[in-house]
Amino acid sequence: QQQVKQSPQSLIVQKGGISIINCAYENTAFDYFPWYQQFPGKGPALLIAIRPDVSEKKEGRFTISFNKSAKQFSLHIMDSQPGDSATYFCAASPLTYSGAGSYQLTFGKGTKLSVIP
Amino acid sequence: DADVTQTPRNRITKTGKRIMLECSQTKGHDRMYWYRQDPGLGLRLIYYSFDVKDINKGEISDGYSVSRQAQAKFSLSLESAIPNQTALYFCATSDTYWQREGESTDTQYFGPGTRLTVL
Repeated sequence: QQQVKQSPQSLIVQKGGISIINCAYENTAFDYFPWYQQFPGKGPALLIAIRPDVSEKKEGRFTISFNKSAKQFSLHIMDSQPGDSATYFCAASPLTYSGAGSYQLTFGKGTKLSVIP
Repeated sequence: DADVTQTPRNRITKTGKRIMLECSQTKGHDRMYWYRQDPGLGLRLIYYSFDVKDINKGEISDGYSVSRQAQAKFSLSLESAIPNQTALYFCATSDTYWQREGESTDTQYFGPGTRLTVL
């Protein structure tokens, strides 16, 4: 059973446009929601993360929107640039100890973003 | 120098061979993880270790084993490799949560990956 569903699988955006990637989760024990960015040939790297006590977090051109009641969160990339072209993974984990499985990150399947000039 | 290193970076082997992938870190983190990445399937957790004496199975541990030789070293073994274990393998580390506060403390730092092909 996939616990974090990510969409779309791929996304093509014009330079300067807004890229939006959505994720939905099922496990109500999740209380930490990071996004990882992966460039070809590299390992994933943390981009931005949010806890459920806030509905939005912004870092530069990257914003996470979080809807706790709907169990959904999304990544918005404003003014998308060709250098943003990468694969993006949403993830979720319980940061509070809750037995087996605690602290493990569950990843979505990834979104390949291509920003064209 | 990279904080998380993996060796080898690429490996081609044959069905039935024993393979070991190694991971070393200089970040001083207690927690280490092994993931595999397959196209369209994202990252799936194979094993994780919260300290040298603590090893736990992840989502897809069948066919794999691990060894935590020291705080800084965590190796993944395929005792008898099979073609469907062809994938990208990533090692990751993270800090011990209860020693710090804030979401950044759960950041996982990934190595560059090992591309394994089993023929």
